[in-house]
Amino acid sequence: KQEVTQIPAALSVPEGENLVLNCSFTDSAIYNLQWFRQDPGKGLTSLLLIQSSQREQTSGRLNASLDKSSGRSTLYIAASQPGDSATYLCAVSLEGKLIFGQGTELSVKP
Amino acid sequence: DTGVSQDPRHKITKRGQNVTFRCDPISEHNRLYWYRQTLGQGPEFLTYFQNEAQLEKSRLLSDRFSAERPKGSFSTLEIQRTEQGDSAMYLCASSRLGQNTYTFGSGTRLTVV
Repeated sequence: KQEVTQIPAALSVPEGENLVLNCSFTDSAIYNLQWFRQDPGKGLTSLLLIQSSQREQTSGRLNASLDKSSGRSTLYIAASQPGDSATYLCAVSLEGKLIFGQGTELSVKP
Repeated sequence: DTGVSQDPRHKITKRGQNVTFRCDPISEHNRLYWYRQTLGQGPEFLTYFQNEAQLEKSRLLSDRFSAERPKGSFSTLEIQRTEQGDSAMYLCASSRLGQNTYTFGSGTRLTVV
């Protein structure tokens, strides 16, 4: 059974700091891995999608990496801003559905 | 097309009552998914449709839960005889077969009192 774990559960950093969020999964037979952002009480917004054959994807200040063999992905956020405060979720795609981690709640202090 | 719409946004119901939620996906998306999210947790898969066919149901979806997508467009999720443990955010998402991008709605927050 595929399990997705995210560490840390919560993170508080001062504005401007670079940070890394971690995601691990137990079964390497994934189709792709995605990172989402969720603001309080809202739905999910897709940030980055990494196909199983890819190693990383970048969008602006965000960079996500994927190491299928070790079952790990990281989301790197450069020069964090208060507007980055949200919950970040990683999800692996398997057999047509997404399996999510529990999320990392990020707070960026001005 | 403004994205995935869910209705209602919030629902408070008494234990034992039935509730129904609606999801309108992006019109050209043929796959539609339901997820449930409790506080502090990631979304958990419930079920998904390809057009009008329900292709998979999670073991989380007890007999009190039923989902339909009668014409391959909007979908409804009904919970019968609600219990306090059903309190959660119910999220709908849609995608196009063969594409990896999912669009999520804003969710319906259910509170069972």
